[in-house]
Amino acid sequence: RKEVEQDPGPFNVPEGATVAFNCTYSNSASQSFFWYRQDCRKEPKLLMSVYSSGNEDGRFTAQLNRASQYISLLIRDSKLSDSATYLCAVNMNTGGFKTIFGAGTRLFVKA
Amino acid sequence: DAGITQSPRHKVTETGTPVTLRCHQTENHRYMYWYRQDPGHGLRLIHYSYGVKDTDKGEVSDGYSVSRSKTEDFLLTLESATSSQTSVYFCAISAEPSSGANVLTFGAGSRLTVL
Repeated sequence: RKEVEQDPGPFNVPEGATVAFNCTYSNSASQSFFWYRQDCRKEPKLLMSVYSSGNEDGRFTAQLNRASQYISLLIRDSKLSDSATYLCAVNMNTGGFKTIFGAGTRLFVKA
Repeated sequence: DAGITQSPRHKVTETGTPVTLRCHQTENHRYMYWYRQDPGHGLRLIHYSYGVKDTDKGEVSDGYSVSRSKTEDFLLTLESATSSQTSVYFCAISAEPSSGANVLTFGAGSRLTVL
């Protein structure tokens, strides 16, 4: 079983739609959680960290449920520019800090 | 943007040849990572370093070795490249994590093709 699993994509949504991505992790010692965005043929870039209390950044909302080992990303009012791959990432301390990524979920926003 | 560069950016090589990819940072960050990215697998951790001469294995370390002789450079070596190592390789850096937070900044990637 993979340590970090994400919804399979792709998600195809119209502009203005609300879309949600889910991610589960298997290591209960995982300490911190992130969403990264990756555009085609580019490097991943941090979208937002995910906190237990949930956090929001404009149209983006991230949630963490430690009991269920689950994190989510909600995008409201989708824009064409939101089209990208969204990577869930989990950081754990195994003597050194390492970050494990999910396989990513591809989002296509269409006009 | 954080100063992190990878070289070479593109390389084509033949099976059985050695290959070294270089990651160079100007941020003086302690942690450095090598990932590979393949369709359907996302980013998989190969090796990482938490200081000079301090390295550890990741999820897919077989066939790879690393070295970190100074803070700014982290080298990934394929001793004898195989076609299964055709991939895009990303280096990432992170400042000293606190409370488990470990935000990564990535290099632009190195595309390796093994024929």
